Amino acid sequence: DQQVKQNSPSLSVQEGRISILNCDYTNSMFDYFLWYKKYPAEGPTFLISISSIKDKNEDGRFTVFLNKSAKHLSLHIVPSQPGDSAVYFCAASEYGNKLVFGAGTILRVKS
Amino acid sequence: SQTIHQWPATLVQPVGSPLSLECTVEGTSNPNLYWYRQAAGRGLQLLFYSVGIGQISSEVPQNLSASRPQDRQFILSSKKLLLSDSGFYLCAWSQYFSYNEQFFGPGTRLTVL
Repeated sequence: DQQVKQNSPSLSVQEGRISILNCDYTNSMFDYFLWYKKYPAEGPTFLISISSIKDKNEDGRFTVFLNKSAKHLSLHIVPSQPGDSAVYFCAASEYGNKLVFGAGTILRVKS
Repeated sequence: SQTIHQWPATLVQPVGSPLSLECTVEGTSNPNLYWYRQAAGRGLQLLFYSVGIGQISSEVPQNLSASRPQDRQFILSSKKLLLSDSGFYLCAWSQYFSYNEQFFGPGTRLTVL
């Protein structure tokens, strides 16, 4: 039972344009959400997070949006850069419990 | 600052051989520690986590075991590897009071032949 789903295995975007990565979840008790970025043969690195009391969180070029009624969150990267090419994992937790990860989306930014 | 080490970086082992992967964390005390596996084309699957020395919780039944002999040391083991144990193994830590923001090591690529 996949509680966190990233339905797009891959996404290709032109440099300078917006990248939008999507994530859906089924557990309405999740109250904290994170995005991780992973390069090949490396461990994931934390990118940005959002608490369920917010609907938006920004950090430079990265913005995460949370729609609790739709159980959906998205990561926007503007403008996209070639160095953003990586696998992006969405993760969620319930009241500080263990993280549940999605399967990941491969982002390719073309120059 | 905190750092997390994993070794070896890559490992090729025959079926039926034993396994020992080690993870150590520096710069923090009493961290929560985690072992994940990323199989080809799949997400991160939590295998084990530990909230203290000697305390191990297993998330999925499998051919692997974990131990935490010291506060900042986490070991993943197997007595006899299976082909299906191949994958990318990641160790991670978080502050003892939170599972949320986890910090990952560089990973070990295990190939079982």
